[in-house]
Amino acid sequence: IQMAQSPSSLSASVGDRVTITCQASQDINKYLNWYQQKPGKVPKLLIYDASNLATGVPSRFSGGGYGTEFTLSISSLQPEDIATYYCQHYDHLPYDFGPGTKLDIK
Amino acid sequence: EVQLVESGGGLVQPGGSLRLSCAASGFTFSTFSMNWVRQAPGMGLELVAYISSSGATIYHADSVKGRFTISRDNAKNSLYLQMKSLRAEDTAVYYCVRDYGINSRWGQGTLVTVSS
Repeated sequence: IQMAQSPSSLSASVGDRVTITCQASQDINKYLNWYQQKPGKVPKLLIYDASNLATGVPSRFSGGGYGTEFTLSISSLQPEDIATYYCQHYDHLPYDFGPGTKLDIK
Repeated sequence: EVQLVESGGGLVQPGGSLRLSCAASGFTFSTFSMNWVRQAPGMGLELVAYISSSGATIYHADSVKGRFTISRDNAKNSLYLQMKSLRAEDTAVYYCVRDYGINSRWGQGTLVTVSS
């Protein structure tokens, strides 16, 4: 299964609503993770099963979608959200990652 | 508290070998599948290898097939990655990752540098 993300990079202002898209080349049901990775840090799980917020993740993050089209949204961008975001499916092996979306502040 | 601690990384010459280890604690290791995920400098994430909880199902990425071998010892709560015939393109941080979905947990990673 090929995972595509768009855009590959994104600049937005503090307070903006930001949406990142992940597309799977075939149906993966709801089996999608979203990770946030800050420079030099370990990836952090944000969303599992496409739409469930992981423990401790701020409520401004949300995930949606099913099948082949998925989104990660940030309702009001904060400076600490600057990071690269990856999707990963786990429908069946191999559990491939998307190429990432680099988000920075305009 | 769930802990995954990788070790065994370092500098190795092309063609050389290394064995990575991951010591797990804070959970019942034998009930979770495990993965090795790597990240080359400035690049994205790549699933290198997967092993089911019992070890019955194993996957290796095409990029490492025939050179790397994932294994586990549930009695020792440990995950391993035997790497041989290393190439410059294997240079990366290697992460030990528990399972997927809600159960996903990552170690801090260990750096493998393949260079002469």
